[in-house]
Amino acid sequence: EVQLVQSGAEVKKPGESLKISCQGSGYSFSRYWIVWVRQMPGKGLEWMGIIYPGDSDIRYSPSFQGQVTISADKSINTAYLQWDSLKASDTAMYYCARHSFGYSLDYFAPWGQGTQVTVSS
Amino acid sequence: EIAMTQSPASLSLSPGDRVTLSCRASQSVGVYLGWYQQKRGQAPRLLIYDASNRATGIPARFSGSGSGTDFTLTISSLEPEDFAVYYCQQRGSWPPTFGQGTRLEI
Repeated sequence: EVQLVQSGAEVKKPGESLKISCQGSGYSFSRYWIVWVRQMPGKGLEWMGIIYPGDSDIRYSPSFQGQVTISADKSINTAYLQWDSLKASDTAMYYCARHSFGYSLDYFAPWGQGTQVTVSS
Repeated sequence: EIAMTQSPASLSLSPGDRVTLSCRASQSVGVYLGWYQQKRGQAPRLLIYDASNRATGIPARFSGSGSGTDFTLTISSLEPEDFAVYYCQQRGSWPPTFGQGTRLEI
């Protein structure tokens, strides 16, 4: 079974750093793009960026370029999303998902269970 | 960036009803349009890809159609578990973009 498992919920203060993870299993992790998607409270889905674990090719949405860093370690089948200095406006649920068919421009399935990030002083 | 507009924003329906949701792209995306379902407290799930193909395990009551800029998702007879938020997403042009969602309520 193809599965993505994300790290647990985080509560942080503004200015702190954070790295959340997404571990894939049941498929060849290196060969499928992984996407990160933000969902702010009560809002819709926002595409943040993607990474191809095989060669760490990364593409960011202009809205998130410079705000987050996406990375991956293919030796442990894990992708990451990190912030150097969190803001209250980063409070959201963050999902990772696998590209369905292996294209760089693709649909997303399956999804991880989500990681809730709360930033509050 | 292609903007995706879904209508209506919400619908109040009953089990057994037939419902059609709409998604419009600001420019043509060919048939490269997908639909997702998100139940409360859960991650989204892919229902339909390339406008009209059901994803693995998706019941036949879900169907999609359209091309170019106008797309629809139809649920032929609503089951209680279908009350959720539905999002469309295009992969016809970089970057991929989502609609704002349509909420189906009882």
